[in-house]
Amino acid sequence: GQQLNQSPQSMFIQEGEDVSMNCTSSSIFNTWLWYKQDPGEGPVLLIALYKAGELTSNGRLTAQFGITRKDSFLNISASIPSDVGIYFCAGRFGNEKLTFGTGTRLTIIP
Amino acid sequence: GAGVSQSPSNKVTEKGKDVELRCDPISGHTALYWYRQSLGQGLEFLIYFQGNSAPDKSGLPSDRFSAERTGGSVSTLTIQRTQQEDSAVYLCASSSGTGTREQYFGPGTRLTVT
Repeated sequence: GQQLNQSPQSMFIQEGEDVSMNCTSSSIFNTWLWYKQDPGEGPVLLIALYKAGELTSNGRLTAQFGITRKDSFLNISASIPSDVGIYFCAGRFGNEKLTFGTGTRLTIIP
Repeated sequence: GAGVSQSPSNKVTEKGKDVELRCDPISGHTALYWYRQSLGQGLEFLIYFQGNSAPDKSGLPSDRFSAERTGGSVSTLTIQRTQQEDSAVYLCASSSGTGTREQYFGPGTRLTVT
């Protein structure tokens, strides 16, 4: 099935650094979502975006719904150890199934 | 309240055997989704239920895969004659079916076919 292009594939950063990742699609979506997945767990919803151009924050996380409706980015400011995990973007057109990105694995170097 | 639960958490089966995976959605959620996650990959949509009917089965990879939902609640994903390429984590999600319809995921069932 289709997967969205997500980059970078992995990131190695020091605690306190800011993080940025993005997701692109060849088709438009009317909802963009960002999830985080820890080992052995299901994805947990972080941020949901419903309008083109929308910029939404959730604590240290900020995400934007691209104006073309074909992309989205997620920023994490001042990273902390619990930010470690895999981040997935997901798009939805209509009301139903999600199309997921390939994931960004975030590692924090001591 | 209770989240989405899935059972078993792990399943090891021999090639050629049938397996059943179970999902209990969040109480009151009318929509239920199955996804598959292969090692190191993103999630791949399999099937979606609204109530007991499945308006979208487009992601089922072959006719060995089937799913049902009874009573508008519990769902079972069945894989017949399992193959090694079926090894993956199978994730279930549910949503309220109204409003923003965001999907909440269970912990998944890790299936290993030997």
